[in-house]
Amino acid sequence: NAGVTQTPKFQVLKTGQSMTLQCAQDMNHEYMSWYRQDPGMGLRLIHYSVGAGITDQGEVPNGYNVSRSTTEDFPLRLLSAAPSQTSVYFCASSGQGNSPLHFGNGTRLTVT
Amino acid sequence: DQQVKQNSPSLSVQEGRISILNCDYTNSMFDYFLWYKKYPAEGPTFLISISSIKDKNEDGRFTVFLNKSAKHLSLHIVPSQPGDSAVYFCAASDGGSNYKLTFGKGTLLTVNP
Repeated sequence: NAGVTQTPKFQVLKTGQSMTLQCAQDMNHEYMSWYRQDPGMGLRLIHYSVGAGITDQGEVPNGYNVSRSTTEDFPLRLLSAAPSQTSVYFCASSGQGNSPLHFGNGTRLTVT
Repeated sequence: DQQVKQNSPSLSVQEGRISILNCDYTNSMFDYFLWYKKYPAEGPTFLISISSIKDKNEDGRFTVFLNKSAKHLSLHIVPSQPGDSAVYFCAASDGGSNYKLTFGKGTLLTVNP
């Protein structure tokens, strides 16, 4: 039972490079979200999806794109990486009602 | 403007004693509250939650209390164990949208043997 799987675990990018952080869940959850965690800042919502084909912006969406072509996958794209995007990124999924979010183990991204 | 506040960055308690972690919120629309626990290099894991229609929810050693008039909630851990040492995040949502949680900054709990 894998839950929420994020790849890669670590990534170093140069400023201006692009990359995609992968996220997959095997719980048939309808809802998926991306958060970033910065030191002393808690977790902040980047983008979320309420179902395949439906996405919306969270608190800090600038510089990131998402798409949800299947229920299982919710990739996060950095179009042109900036040092301010150095962070730990968490993907999460949840089911209906008051079902809590289940988190992956994160991707630690460094942009130099 | 921080809508969920955890004003204690850290807390240290002795094994066997009670740990009390506090959380305040400012958004009156929040109607569901959750606590997550996070170990280093892992994702947050769900611990316990409470709806705004209740004032207490208990699950084994963990109890969450909600005071809506004060916009305050607390997590009690009794008895505390060394394995409870972790960062604890308070989170809130409105309208059943638990996929859009607002998190506090977290409190690092250290339980000393």
